[in-house]
Amino acid sequence: LAKTTQPISMDSYEGQEVNITCSHNNIATNDYITWYQQFPSQGPRFIIQGYKTKVTNEVASLFIPADRKSSTLSLPRVSLSDTAVYYCLVGPPLSSASKIIFGSGTRLSIRP
Amino acid sequence: EAGVAQSPRYKIIEKRQSVAFWCNPISGHATLYWYQQILGQGPKLLIQFQNNGVVDDSQLPKDRFSAERLKGVDSTLKIQPAKLEDSAVYLCASSFIAGGGNEQYFGPGTRLTVT
Repeated sequence: LAKTTQPISMDSYEGQEVNITCSHNNIATNDYITWYQQFPSQGPRFIIQGYKTKVTNEVASLFIPADRKSSTLSLPRVSLSDTAVYYCLVGPPLSSASKIIFGSGTRLSIRP
Repeated sequence: EAGVAQSPRYKIIEKRQSVAFWCNPISGHATLYWYQQILGQGPKLLIQFQNNGVVDDSQLPKDRFSAERLKGVDSTLKIQPAKLEDSAVYLCASSFIAGGGNEQYFGPGTRLTVT
């Protein structure tokens, strides 16, 4: 199982770009990298997923270097509503009996 | 598209009592998960079903926790008897197996308080 390490907390200001890095040194060949966002009193919400290079959607970008030992979630022009906990997960596709492990996540606080 | 439904949203019980949580996944999702999330921690997977079969229940405390997914649709998680340390949010999630990826859809959770 690929263990992930991410910062416990981060602070930023509205309008800034925020980059959250996750380390996963023992990622396996068939592992995907998935990021979730969780607001208080809600279940986690899928943000983005990637296997290699760069993935972009309407919410965020995910940068994955060639060695895939780390990944960076990039949130452009954050607002107060982006204050949440962000989880990085690494594991094989859900179609297999995969072990799903959420770490403690990164608590992101956005200030006016 | 309706999301994952869970009930109740809140439950307060005394230790040694029993409690049950219900989950209805998104229509067509073959895989269903139950997680336990203790305050300040990430969700911990308790059990994973694919259709009505158990794929992984290695972290389910089987002496007190049980779960079933009859007919491969909705699911029930039960705790009997409850302990103080079971106080947590119990999250249900589902996913559609389409050959790859790890996108799960989570319900709002049930907050359990054991006194």
